[in-house]
Amino acid sequence: EIVMTQSPATLSVSPGERVTLSCRASQSVGFNLAWYQHKPGQAPRLLIYGASTTAIGVPDRFSGSGSGTEFTLTISSLQSEDFGVYYCQQYNNWLTFGPGTKVGIK
Amino acid sequence: EVQLVESGGVLVQPGGSLRLSCAASGFIFDDYAMHWVRQAPGKGLEWVAGITWNSGNIQYADSVKGRITISRDNAKSFLYLQMSALRAEDTAFYYCAKAAYESSAWIESWGQGTRVTVSS
Repeated sequence: EIVMTQSPATLSVSPGERVTLSCRASQSVGFNLAWYQHKPGQAPRLLIYGASTTAIGVPDRFSGSGSGTEFTLTISSLQSEDFGVYYCQQYNNWLTFGPGTKVGIK
Repeated sequence: EVQLVESGGVLVQPGGSLRLSCAASGFIFDDYAMHWVRQAPGKGLEWVAGITWNSGNIQYADSVKGRITISRDNAKSFLYLQMSALRAEDTAFYYCAKAAYESSAWIESWGQGTRVTVSS
C-alpha cells in the first residue's frame, strides 16, 4: 500500500502571498499524482493531474511539480476564494489520498 | 455535462447493511473506471473502492475489505456499493467518482455525495 503524507497540516495565509504545499509518497508513483481542492459542502475539485498538468478551468496561479516521491503544489498569489483543504492523491496503484493541508485566509 | 447522482444514504444500525447507488449521465459510462470515496466527519478523503470499465479489475481499501462490494451496470449506467457489517467508523459522506480513463487514473468528476450514518 502506498502511503501519502502532506505538509504542513494547516496554514493561514494573507491574500497575495505565495503558497507552497508538499506531498510525499512512501514509494515512487512516477508522475501519477493529482491535487484536489475541497471546500465544505462541495464536491472536491480537480486542480492538477500528471503531477504538473493543470485541469481545465483551473486558474493559472495553481501549478504542480515533482516526480517519484516528492511533489509540490504552488499557488502563486493566494486569492480569498482559495481557502479549503488541499489533497494530493496517487493513482499509480489504484488510489490513495494524503491527509490534506487546510489553507485558511488571514 | 457529466452528472453523478448518489442515493441510498441512510441511518443504519451497527451490523446492518445498505446499498448505495450512483446514476451516471453525460458521458459513455462503460468507457471509464469508477470509484467510491468517503469523508468521515472531521476527517479527510478516503478512497473506498474502485472498478475498471468492464469490472475486470476491482480493488478495495483495507479498511473495508470483506465488508463492501463495488459493482456496476454498464447497460443502466449505474455504480453500486453494497455495504454490510457496518461499523460506526463507516459513518461518512460517500462520493461517487469518475476516473479519467478506463483503468487507474485521477478522478475527473465527483458526485455531490450521500450521507451514511451508522448508529444505534
